[in-house]
Amino acid sequence: EVQLLESGGGLVQPGGSLRLSCAASGFTFSSYAMSWVRQAPGKGLEWVSGISGSGGSTYYADSMKGRFTISRDNSKNALYLQMNSLRAEDTAVYYCAKAVWVRGVIGYFDYWGQGTLVTVSS
Amino acid sequence: EIVLTQSPGTLSLSPGERATLSCRASQSVSSTYLAWYQQKPGQAPRLLIYGASSRATGIPDRFSGSGSGTDFTLTISRLEPEDFAVYYCQQYGSSQTFGQGTKVEIK
Repeated sequence: EVQLLESGGGLVQPGGSLRLSCAASGFTFSSYAMSWVRQAPGKGLEWVSGISGSGGSTYYADSMKGRFTISRDNSKNALYLQMNSLRAEDTAVYYCAKAVWVRGVIGYFDYWGQGTLVTVSS
Repeated sequence: EIVLTQSPGTLSLSPGERATLSCRASQSVSSTYLAWYQQKPGQAPRLLIYGASSRATGIPDRFSGSGSGTDFTLTISRLEPEDFAVYYCQQYGSSQTFGQGTKVEIK
């Protein structure tokens, strides 16, 4: 059974940093691309970032480029999101999602974690 | 950036009725690159449809997807009580974007 368990969320001040983690199990982690998707309170879904199975290719939404860094440790079956220069508008539940590679791009997300809440506030 | 616009914002229907949800793209999207998700309150999204019309594993056949180009549709043939939720479309052909969602509520 595929399981994705996020951790690392919490309250952080504007301008601060936070590192999210996602522990994966139930599938061959290194064979699959992964992504982070976020959802602000009461709002819709927003793709944040993605990474290939090997970790060699990374992708970001334009609004997150330069502030967020996605990485993975395939030896630990773990996905990470380092978030710097956080703003109030980054407040959201952050979901880790297993991605299906479609014709050379990160495609749809077939499994999701339960999410971790990040609150950016003074 | 491809913008996805879902309509209606809210759909009020009774169990047993047919639901038709629309997702319109600001530019053409290959049907290969269109998915639909269901999200219930306090839960993570669940994949329903990928490639515009292929059902994900374990999804009942009352859910179907169709469309091409800029217009896509998710149809729920007969609403079950557990189908009342928010539905999102997603395109993944040009980066990644989601629609704003359609809420299907009990009338």
